[in-house]
Amino acid sequence: DAKTTQPPSMDCAEGRAANLPCNHSTISGNEYVYWYRQIHSQGPQYIIHGLKNNETNEMASLIITEDRKSSTLILPHATLRDTAVYYCIVRVGAARAGNMLTFGGGTRLMVKP
Amino acid sequence: NAGVTQTPKFQVLKTGQSMTLQCAQDMNHEYMSWYRQDPGMGLRLIHYSVGAGITDQGEVPNGYNVSRSTTEDFPLRLLSAAPSQTSVYFCASSYSQGQPQHFGDGTRLSIL
Repeated sequence: DAKTTQPPSMDCAEGRAANLPCNHSTISGNEYVYWYRQIHSQGPQYIIHGLKNNETNEMASLIITEDRKSSTLILPHATLRDTAVYYCIVRVGAARAGNMLTFGGGTRLMVKP
Repeated sequence: NAGVTQTPKFQVLKTGQSMTLQCAQDMNHEYMSWYRQDPGMGLRLIHYSVGAGITDQGEVPNGYNVSRSTTEDFPLRLLSAAPSQTSVYFCASSYSQGQPQHFGDGTRLSIL
């Protein structure tokens, strides 16, 4: 699976959009971009994933560059409850030995009042 | 629909003791995994299962055993606890490979 690079921490004002970047310059054509977050002391929570097209759900939007070497997770109106560590993971979505997710250091997002 | 349930939530063991961490899911998911998370670090895969009767090793399997006799349950056994196994353990499940994983709330294990 391709390696990802994320900033270790970011701040965001409550009510503003939080834009979390992720670099995955070695991504392969069949690898998806997944985003999870982990709120303190809880298990990771799935947010969104995509292959090449931009995706949106009730939690967030995922913008993937045309060359797929980077992506941005957007929380449109961040709240204090969005304070968490956000993990960007790149992996093959289809059949492959194991179902593992490789979690790196992630980005610690602090939403401030 | 409880999702992924892990028990116990907290446990303290002495070195050399054995115990089983329980994980159950009620979503009829085929894929289940165990991860450990050490302070300030990401998750590392211990063992996983692609279906009942099938298990395989992940990144850090030493000192742990698993079995998958039913679709619902995926227990993790510590054979002889060591202080290096002090960690938070997360169980996860998904419908199939590539599908988003659902995580339990974790078991916080301390080994003295």
